[in-house]
Amino acid sequence: QVQLQESGPGLVKPSQTLSLTCTVSGDSINNGNYYYNWIRQPAGKALEWIGRIYTTGTTRYNPSLQSRVTISPDKSKNQFSLALSFVTAADTAIYYCARDISTGTYAFDAWGPGTKVTVSS
Amino acid sequence: DIAMSQSPDSLSVSLGERATITCKSRLSTNIGNYLAWYQQKPGQPPKLLIYWASTRESGVPERFSASGSGTEFTFTISSLQPEDVAVYYCQQYYGVPITFGPGTKVDIK
Repeated sequence: QVQLQESGPGLVKPSQTLSLTCTVSGDSINNGNYYYNWIRQPAGKALEWIGRIYTTGTTRYNPSLQSRVTISPDKSKNQFSLALSFVTAADTAIYYCARDISTGTYAFDAWGPGTKVTVSS
Repeated sequence: DIAMSQSPDSLSVSLGERATITCKSRLSTNIGNYLAWYQQKPGQPPKLLIYWASTRESGVPERFSASGSGTEFTFTISSLQPEDVAVYYCQQYYGVPITFGPGTKVDIK
């Protein structure tokens, strides 16, 4: 069964770049048929989809964040990463990585436990 | 963006009673059956319960069900159990960006 685990700094200064990694175990991200996603949730608020990457490297981003977001794979480590530039306090949230059920079914059946990121000087 | 709304914001139900949540696509955007439902407990990531509007995820108890298509969807817990206390979210995956509803908090009366 696939498992995902987020990692990265818990504190980022305003205007800097937030960088997180999702390590996938139990399956290879080189296998086809799945999109891998980043989703975030500010404290006490609803979920916001950030973007996704396919095994081919094709990406799709939330237009509200597109100018600041990059999702990229590291196939040798079975990981994918999130970079969010020019962060502000509004980017403070729990960040989750998640995998789709299958290509074309963009519901998320596997999630990491989440990692809390605070943007503060 | 396809914004999603949910009602009610919160719901208190007696043990063993039915809980029903409604999810609608705002501006009446037809999303077909591209809808999922999640349960989130404090300190945990969301758990997928339903996808394709009515397909129960493997291992999800039968008391959880959902229906609907197009612009209006319903999620039901037929007999509320203590472990069902959580926030429930709908999510559309018809369009990009993928969007979630604001959530409905379910607790015990």
